[in-house]
Amino acid sequence: GNSVTQMEGPVTLSEEAFLTINCTYTATGYPSLFWYVQYPGEGLQLLLKATKADDKGSNKGFEATYRKETTSFHLEKGSVQVSDSAVYFCALVERGANNLFFGTGTRLTVIP
Amino acid sequence: EPEVTQTPSHQVTQMGQEVILRCVPISNHLYFYWYRQILGQKVEFLVSFYNNEISEKSEIFDDQFSVERPDGSNFTLKIRSTKLEDSAMYFCASSESPRMNTEAFFGQGTRLTVV
Repeated sequence: GNSVTQMEGPVTLSEEAFLTINCTYTATGYPSLFWYVQYPGEGLQLLLKATKADDKGSNKGFEATYRKETTSFHLEKGSVQVSDSAVYFCALVERGANNLFFGTGTRLTVIP
Repeated sequence: EPEVTQTPSHQVTQMGQEVILRCVPISNHLYFYWYRQILGQKVEFLVSFYNNEISEKSEIFDDQFSVERPDGSNFTLKIRSTKLEDSAMYFCASSESPRMNTEAFFGQGTRLTVV
């Protein structure tokens, strides 16, 4: 079956620190992979995605590379800001399917 | 920027009562979804909806759940007789395409508390 496992939080970092949130997946086929972000009081927003192996998704300074050999899609950012404080969700969708499988979410708090 | 809106943001209901969670998807989207997240657990797919009918549903979406698009703008999730274990955050989403590898837009969620 399909599942996503992501790093448990919460994660607290100082401003300008390096961020990694780990995500690994199990899938029966060839999924597309996503990171969604939920800022306080808002809906889930697509942050970045990758649709095939070795693709790198990037947005707002965040990056994640689709690693088929390790079934991973770790989220990274070189220098976090207070405004990055949010809950981050890793997700996958099987090719041709129309429902997302999510991880539990990781709460990130960035302190000045 | 267009957005999916959900009401109410928080609903408290007594066990056994019916609740209706409301969503206004993005106006030109044709595919609609409900997901839920029980506290501390994963966000789980409930149902997808297109052309006034359910296109896919999960095992969670049993007979006590129903969805409806009563008019051209709203998309609702009804829980007929709530149980304590229905307490969760419910997210509505919509997309232009049925393939979720295109972008799905999510609402801010409705927190349902069953007491």
